[in-house]
Amino acid sequence: DSGVTQTPKHLITATGQRVTLRCSPRSGDLSVYWYQQSLDQGLQFLIQYYNGEERAKGNILERFSAQQFPDLHSELNLSSLELGDSALYFCASSAWDTTYEQYFGPGTRLTVT
Amino acid sequence: GIQVEQSPPDLILQEGANSTLRCNFSDSVNNLQWFHQNPWGQLINLFYIPSGTKQNGRLSATTVATERYSLLYISSSQTTDSGVYFCAVERPTSGSRLTFGEGTQLTVNP
Repeated sequence: DSGVTQTPKHLITATGQRVTLRCSPRSGDLSVYWYQQSLDQGLQFLIQYYNGEERAKGNILERFSAQQFPDLHSELNLSSLELGDSALYFCASSAWDTTYEQYFGPGTRLTVT
Repeated sequence: GIQVEQSPPDLILQEGANSTLRCNFSDSVNNLQWFHQNPWGQLINLFYIPSGTKQNGRLSATTVATERYSLLYISSSQTTDSGVYFCAVERPTSGSRLTFGEGTQLTVNP
């Protein structure tokens, strides 16, 4: 158990819908990262928050947004869902901003039908 | 961006065999991690090893940063070692994002 929690574990929804994925980092960690794992793109970095502020952005679609709250938990919002958004979404956390080991949560498996 | 290449892409072993997985990267890095993704999809941290050698039970890893590669050794493999092994790196100039290789799919047969 990495200490990073994610909910829900599974999510099935229809095209055009909006969903919210939630992540709680390990106790004491200030950075939260979101990654997407799909069959065709592999594991890709989406976005990082550090102590409530956006720190780095990767290949995140404009339909996706995220935030980190004062209690350091984070949410990833996915809207206008398409079939291609079906993937495993991971949250990771690390102690500080950079060069620290990242620990991954169990992931949320999103299926868009 | 940085390129991360893992080899071999697939590996099939008999229980008890040893193996070496390789990760080559195209630029200098300040973080390198090895992960095991089990059949349930969970990513398990194996090593945080931007340089040097570490050992943890039957697993060990070596990173030679100056030559831009890392090796993961699995000895006396067990069926529970099956899954995908990923190498992921972080560049000094790219913030904290990890760039993952495509992984090595390991199958250990009884």
